[in-house]
Amino acid sequence: EVHLVESGGGLVQPGGSLRLSCSASGFIFSNCAMHWVRQAPGKGLEYVSGISSSGSGSYADAVKGRFTISRDNSKNTLFLQMSSLRAEDTALYYCVKGGQGDMIMVADSWGQGTLVTVSS
Amino acid sequence: DIQMAQSPSTLSASVGDRVIITCRASQSINTWLAWYQQKPGKAPKLLMYKASSLESGVPSRFSGSGSGTEFTLTISSLQPDDFATYYCQQYNYYSTFGPGTKVDLK
Repeated sequence: EVHLVESGGGLVQPGGSLRLSCSASGFIFSNCAMHWVRQAPGKGLEYVSGISSSGSGSYADAVKGRFTISRDNSKNTLFLQMSSLRAEDTALYYCVKGGQGDMIMVADSWGQGTLVTVSS
Repeated sequence: DIQMAQSPSTLSASVGDRVIITCRASQSINTWLAWYQQKPGKAPKLLMYKASSLESGVPSRFSGSGSGTEFTLTISSLQPDDFATYYCQQYNYYSTFGPGTKVDLK
């Protein structure tokens, strides 16, 4: 069974930084694309960033230049380094497993999320 | 960027009703569309992919159709467990989610 556990969320001041982690189990992590999707309180889903199995990252325009996605396949862990944080980055951040083949951008498994609050 | 729209934003229905949710893309996405269900306080769950393919374990009362820019998610007979918010997602070019459709009790 796929298990994704996020950590690293918390309260941070505007302009600050935070590093999210996602520990994965139950599948061959190194073979899968992984993503971060966020949901602001009471709002819809927003794609944030993704990384291919080979380590190539992509970003939504809203976070490009401020967030960096990475992975450690030896530890089955996904990361999201967030800097220059803004109030509008406040959200529940979900770690998501991509599917295989032409489904790499499809979120077939989700973690429970870690809450990031940006406020002074 | 590809923008996604959903209608209606809220749908009030009764158990046993046939429910149809529409998703429109700002440009053609072929059939690169997925549907998710989210219940309050829970992570979303994948229902459909490639517009009409049912994810394993999802009840057959859910079905999807469409291609290009217009898509539908149909629940043939609404069950108590189906009251939730539904999101479409295009994955033709990166990824964009629709704003969601909340299905509540009439």
